[in-house]
Amino acid sequence: AQSVTQLDSQVPVFEEAPVELRCNYSSSVSVYLFWYVQYPNQGLQLLLKYLSGSTLVKGINGFEAEFNKSQTSFHLRKPSVHISDTAEYFCAVSDSGYSTLTFGKGTMLLVSP
Amino acid sequence: DAGITQSPRHKVTETGTPVTLRCHQTENHRYMYWYRQDPGHGLRLIHYSYGVKDTDKGEVSDGYSVSRSKTEDFLLTLESATSSQTSVYFCASQAGTGVTNEKLFFGSGTQLSVL
Repeated sequence: AQSVTQLDSQVPVFEEAPVELRCNYSSSVSVYLFWYVQYPNQGLQLLLKYLSGSTLVKGINGFEAEFNKSQTSFHLRKPSVHISDTAEYFCAVSDSGYSTLTFGKGTMLLVSP
Repeated sequence: DAGITQSPRHKVTETGTPVTLRCHQTENHRYMYWYRQDPGHGLRLIHYSYGVKDTDKGEVSDGYSVSRSKTEDFLLTLESATSSQTSVYFCASQAGTGVTNEKLFFGSGTQLSVL
């Protein structure tokens, strides 16, 4: 079974600064990778996903992520964060095929003025 | 966005009592899931369904059962609630064939407290 490690449980950052949220997954022949965001008191929403092709994936709200197969990583980045980006971010992985998603433990992004 | 509603939104119950959480979706999605979210554990899959009356266990299925008698409804039952089942429960649905590149649509969650 796949596993996902989100290396930081909390990332504090100032508004307009860049941010990177780290995600590593266990190796497999082929994987699908996802980032979901959870705003306070809400369910999760898909930010972006990597299925195949270009290793740089762009998502909603100015976020992007880069798939690095050799390092088994899928880090999420944003060049300039806003207060409204304060939320919990979850990396998730599945084997290509008919398997369910495995989520990481989440990273809380705290953006302050 | 997909219409997924969970009920109740909040529930307080006593140890040993049965509890049923409901998930209703209006998108005719084939796949539905129940997750629990706990601090330090992220989301963990309890059970999922790949069609009416077709269900399977997830990572943390002990103490839980599910039923899906209609495409739109997926019920999660705690047969005899324990304090370790205090958690936030999320339902999700997924369109398409169930191949895992389809995104999940999540409900707003049910906060369950077992005293």
